[in-house]
Amino acid sequence: SQTIHQWPATLVQPVGSPLSLECTVEGTSNPNLYWYRQAAGRGLQLLFYSVGIGQISSEVPQNLSASRPQDRQFILSSKKLLLSDSGFYLCAWSPIGGLSSYNEQFFGPGTRLTVL
Amino acid sequence: SQQGEEDPQALSIQEGENATMNCSYKTSINNLQWYRQNSGRGLVHLILIRSNEREKHSGRLRVTLDTSKKSSSLLITASRAADTASYFCATSYGQNFVFGPGTRLSVLP
Repeated sequence: SQTIHQWPATLVQPVGSPLSLECTVEGTSNPNLYWYRQAAGRGLQLLFYSVGIGQISSEVPQNLSASRPQDRQFILSSKKLLLSDSGFYLCAWSPIGGLSSYNEQFFGPGTRLTVL
Repeated sequence: SQQGEEDPQALSIQEGENATMNCSYKTSINNLQWYRQNSGRGLVHLILIRSNEREKHSGRLRVTLDTSKKSSSLLITASRAADTASYFCATSYGQNFVFGPGTRLSVLP
């Protein structure tokens, strides 16, 4: 069966410090991968998605970046965190496929980031 | 934008009552999905309805889709305290998903 891992679960970082959040998926190959951010009490904002190794699409311009060094690894990074980067970050995967595919998303447990 | 919008934003009901949440979206979709999120946790997929389907059931859940009105509803029947959570609709186009802001459901014992 497939599982998705995210770490760390919580993180407190000072403004201006770097960030690296990691997400890995097990039990599937060539998944689509996604990073979302969720502000307190709000919906999800899609930040990045990837359909393959080294292929990253950015949905929202900001000081975050994403990389996919391996098929089932997705990393969210920042060189210098801002206060506005605080939030709940969720990684998700979905089976690769076209418009007619069954493309449910499976979410990781999330990382709560607080920037002070 | 493609974003789905759920209403109401918050809903409080008694255990045993039915809960209905609605979602509207703006452009053509491949499918529409409903997710549930317990506080501080990841999202869990509940049900997917394709654009050519009008109604779908899963246990106590019933989802309808009206593509002419670009809207969907999620009905939870005979609610339980454990149904307390936030519920999100997500529309799918291509490889992307767009989530609405969610409905916070509180089921009081």
